[in-house]
Amino acid sequence: EAGVVQSPRYKIIEKKQPVAFWCNPISGHNTLYWYLQNLGQGPELLIRYENEEAVDDSQLPKDRFSAERLKGVDSTLKIQPAELGDSAVYLCASSPNWGDGEQYFGPGTRLTVT
Amino acid sequence: QKEVEQNSGPLSVPEGAIASLNCTYSDRGSQSFFWYRQYSGKSPELIMSIYSNGDKEDGRFTAQLNKASQYVSLLIRDSQPSDSATYLCASYNQGGKLIFGQGTELSVKP
Repeated sequence: EAGVVQSPRYKIIEKKQPVAFWCNPISGHNTLYWYLQNLGQGPELLIRYENEEAVDDSQLPKDRFSAERLKGVDSTLKIQPAELGDSAVYLCASSPNWGDGEQYFGPGTRLTVT
Repeated sequence: QKEVEQNSGPLSVPEGAIASLNCTYSDRGSQSFFWYRQYSGKSPELIMSIYSNGDKEDGRFTAQLNKASQYVSLLIRDSQPSDSATYLCASYNQGGKLIFGQGTELSVKP
């Protein structure tokens, strides 16, 4: 069974530029999560999708971040414009359903904003 | 107070020893607890889940849960250099969000 796929793996951009990350969850997983992980910290939830509906985006900085999950499968997270403080690893995870506990993480996208 | 707290370490143990990793949580309503392993530059990988008070063993790993004390631990027996990684404790809060601790860095010395 294929795991969670993310691309790109690495991205370097200048501040004020836009950037987008893509995630394809494990087949059949209804719940998709985007996390942000800073160095030396645990992942922090940005947004959770149940199928195509964003049901928890309370931690998403909506002035510059947006996300979508069309057709309830793969998802895109966008930052526009990027700031220096956005440099981090962006992780996508999926689980069969919300509250099932076990979340499976993709390899992440390491973003560097210069 | 952070919802899930861990000692950041680093924790250093000799090869073959028992490594003990600890975690406390603040939300008394939490019911599900997880240990993830994260190698440097890699993503978190689930290694143990525990839902009931007591011990749960899986190979060299034992998770322990004490809900009264709001305490979760992970024991790694016969530690190997390949166990060197950061171990993340996580639990669902009552709002249904998976909250991670900051992780404990484990170093197993040959």
